[in-house]
Amino acid sequence: EADIYQTPRYLVIGTGKKITLECSQTMGHDKMYWYQQDPGMELHLIHYSYGVNSTEKGDLSSESTVSRIRTEHFPLTLESARPSHTSQYLCASIGGPGGETQYFGPGTRLLVL
Amino acid sequence: AQTVTQSQPEMSVQEAETVTLSCTYDTSESDYYLFWYKQPPSRQMILVIRQEAYKQQNATENRFSVNFQKAAKSFSLKISDSQLGDAAMYFCAYRRGSNQFYFGTGTSLTVIP
Repeated sequence: EADIYQTPRYLVIGTGKKITLECSQTMGHDKMYWYQQDPGMELHLIHYSYGVNSTEKGDLSSESTVSRIRTEHFPLTLESARPSHTSQYLCASIGGPGGETQYFGPGTRLLVL
Repeated sequence: AQTVTQSQPEMSVQEAETVTLSCTYDTSESDYYLFWYKQPPSRQMILVIRQEAYKQQNATENRFSVNFQKAAKSFSLKISDSQLGDAAMYFCAYRRGSNQFYFGTGTSLTVIP
């Protein structure tokens, strides 16, 4: 398995709270991604980064923000959590022989009450 | 528009038998990558197999093989000698040259003892 970590694994929080989901990888990968995954649905790209100080929004409209100050660290922040943010969030980075494969973290399951 | 389509939300297979999971995709590009990922319940998503579009030979990884039909834009996964540990959600994914990945909605595979 790839060395990519996410914390917390599970989070239950009240509406309006600010939360940060952590993602880190020890593989030195430049490209990192955040996906939102709901049961029975495809993964939706919400943010990605091609390197330090590079961040872009993905296809899914999101009220979250990301930062990339260090290569290994790509945190996702929700300024004001809402029940519609309840989902699983997956972090990934690209590596592999030709730099073409995504490696995933274990995910964070978020429940907003 | 959906780029990757998995038409089988659920599949089941008897232990030691063979099962094929279907995936079709839409692209106008000639060079790209295709992937199958496995996501066991409450566990990390891991790469099962990858295929480079310019390679005509079908990729194989132990009991897992693909049937890549480029003209038909089809990329099915065959699991031989199915084991209980193969039970999981399987996602087909397509990678565009811009390093963005597109995922299907997944197929839930049950292995019957």
